[in-house]
Amino acid sequence: NAGVTQTPKFQVLKTGQSMTLQCAQDMNHEYMSWYRQDPGMGLRLIHYSVGAGITDQGEVPNGYNVSRSTTEDFPLRLLSAAPSQTSVYFCASSYGAGSSETQYFGPGTRLLVL
Amino acid sequence: EDQVTQSPEALRLQEGESSSLNCSYTVSGLRGLFWYRQDPGKGPEFLFTLYSAGEEKEKERLKATLTKKESFLHITAPKPEDSATYLCAGDTNQAGTALIFGKGTTLSVSS
Repeated sequence: NAGVTQTPKFQVLKTGQSMTLQCAQDMNHEYMSWYRQDPGMGLRLIHYSVGAGITDQGEVPNGYNVSRSTTEDFPLRLLSAAPSQTSVYFCASSYGAGSSETQYFGPGTRLLVL
Repeated sequence: EDQVTQSPEALRLQEGESSSLNCSYTVSGLRGLFWYRQDPGKGPEFLFTLYSAGEEKEKERLKATLTKKESFLHITAPKPEDSATYLCAGDTNQAGTALIFGKGTTLSVSS
């Protein structure tokens, strides 16, 4: 199993550009989520999904879009990049209800918006 | 407002010098308290989940405990390889999806 994979590892964008951060897991997890990590702020939840076709907002959803058409994939879309979105983005997945012992995180995507 | 606070922000220990990291939380409907380890440039790595006050879990030199208001991560006789940032998170969703993280404690262990 590859676990949780994220692409790209690093990206530079210009203000106003759009892009999609990819996240995939091969563990058949129902639950997936996106976080951003900023110095001095800790990890903050952007969006999450409890299953294919179901998504919900987290703490800092503005400027981001998600969809979940398959169990395996949970892409994060930046609609119009802003310098404030410079951050490290982590995708995570976990088992369904009743077996939440393990939450797996991907290696992260470092995004720089100029 | 749900909140998780970790202290200290940074901790320097000598090899073999035991200590504890603190995580205090005010999370309504808390379903679980998670501890993660994060190495520089990598994603968080799961360590423990605690569900009820009085619960304890151990893994090698680490032991996590939980009370009604806080959790402790005890590190016994640490080694340099234990150096990392330790993150605490409260879970308000049964499957561990909606985690509220503290800012972390950066531990440095010198030989």
